[in-house]
Amino acid sequence: DIVVTQSPDSLAVSLGERATITCRSSRTILSDSNNKNFLAWYQYKPGQPPKLLIYWASTRASGVPDRFSGSGSGTDFSLTISSLQAEDVAFYFCQQYYNSPITFGGGTKVQV
Amino acid sequence: EVQLVESGGGFVQPGGSLRLSCTASGFPLSDYYMSWVRLTPGKRLEWVANIKQDGSRRYYVGSAKDRFTIARDDARNVLTLQMNGLRLDDTGLYYCARDHGTDTWMGYDRWGQGTQVTVS
Repeated sequence: DIVVTQSPDSLAVSLGERATITCRSSRTILSDSNNKNFLAWYQYKPGQPPKLLIYWASTRASGVPDRFSGSGSGTDFSLTISSLQAEDVAFYFCQQYYNSPITFGGGTKVQV
Repeated sequence: EVQLVESGGGFVQPGGSLRLSCTASGFPLSDYYMSWVRLTPGKRLEWVANIKQDGSRRYYVGSAKDRFTIARDDARNVLTLQMNGLRLDDTGLYYCARDHGTDTWMGYDRWGQGTQVTVS
């Protein structure tokens, strides 16, 4: 199984400041067949279902504000919120979908 | 409007069974890979199982193999998860989720609101 390790567990950031979360997979999730990284990022707020933010490691999902960006390749990835807004307070999870079993990182709680 | 609505959760004793359903509307279930994902009491997401568009492939997390069965009824636009031999660590909020890829997995762009399963 591919283990996905996310850090930090929690993060406190001032409004308007940058927040960065990292995610590391136990082996490469870069596909030779399409040269894409099989990694997604989700935002989760209690009482709501998770929301897809980023897929292919760096492609924003429809309707996601451009302050959210994803980067990285191979085994090391990051999610950056360039200017934290109050509505961004949430848990964030990375997910590898390179192969089965699909696995998630342990989550990062972002707060102000 | 695209919508996923789960049902079938509840309280069950260890060793018991539950059958979860997810009714899709606004899109044909048959066009998408569909998954079950659970949120644990510790706020961790765990992928449980998925099924290919034509039902020809099904994948499970190791702890669910031989106990859970994912299935789809495309005529009724319903995804199901039959869970047998339930254990305490199966407790969680179970979501059905749609993979927005067609030829390959790409991440889940639509989720239901979840149905709670408590094994105690």
